[in-house]
Amino acid sequence: GIQVEQSPPDLILQEGANSTLRCNFSDSVNNLQWFHQNPWGQLINLFYIPSGTKQNGRLSATTVATERYSLLYISSSQTTDSGVYFCAVISSGSARQLTFGSGTQLTVLP
Amino acid sequence: KAGVTQTPRYLIKTRGQQVTLSCSPISGHRSVSWYQQTPGQGLQFLFEYFSETQRNKGNFPGRFSGRQFSNSRSEMNVSTLELGDSALYLCASSLAPGARTGNTIYFGEGSWLTVV
Repeated sequence: GIQVEQSPPDLILQEGANSTLRCNFSDSVNNLQWFHQNPWGQLINLFYIPSGTKQNGRLSATTVATERYSLLYISSSQTTDSGVYFCAVISSGSARQLTFGSGTQLTVLP
Repeated sequence: KAGVTQTPRYLIKTRGQQVTLSCSPISGHRSVSWYQQTPGQGLQFLFEYFSETQRNKGNFPGRFSGRQFSNSRSEMNVSTLELGDSALYLCASSLAPGARTGNTIYFGEGSWLTVV
């Protein structure tokens, strides 16, 4: 099946700093989503972005489908941005479920 | 509109017991899927239902089962619980089965299951 790799696994930032999270995938996809998992376990949708670029406030994401990677940018980070960020994809092949990466644990220090 | 609702949020069971978890999707969504999250294995797909039919199943033993009702609400059941079944169980809903282009998938808050 499709493989999804996220980097870095852990990231510690000072409040106000910018960061870039990366997601590499091994096959073509027709669904790619970024999620933020809050401390209570819920996966919060950030972006649906199988290709192209989107922005939502301090967050933006870019997926280069032909090169099989996606980037999540967080600018002017805040302590509330802390948590685990997951990239999840559905391959264009026979699989029809989301395959998740292992996540990036982000800690923003005040 | 209301999001994906999962009940119960927290539960503790004993080895050998069974458990049923419930999920109400976003209004109008007909596809419901379930995922298990553990520290060791990460997020893994359990199964997907659409229009009361199981469309897709992950690599889990037969002790894990589910169903979907005519109102799109879904339940999953785990029988003969094992310690390793302790996990966060997440339900997700979408308008259509997951592979469709443009089909954003939304998750509930999850059910935390502890098996002792």
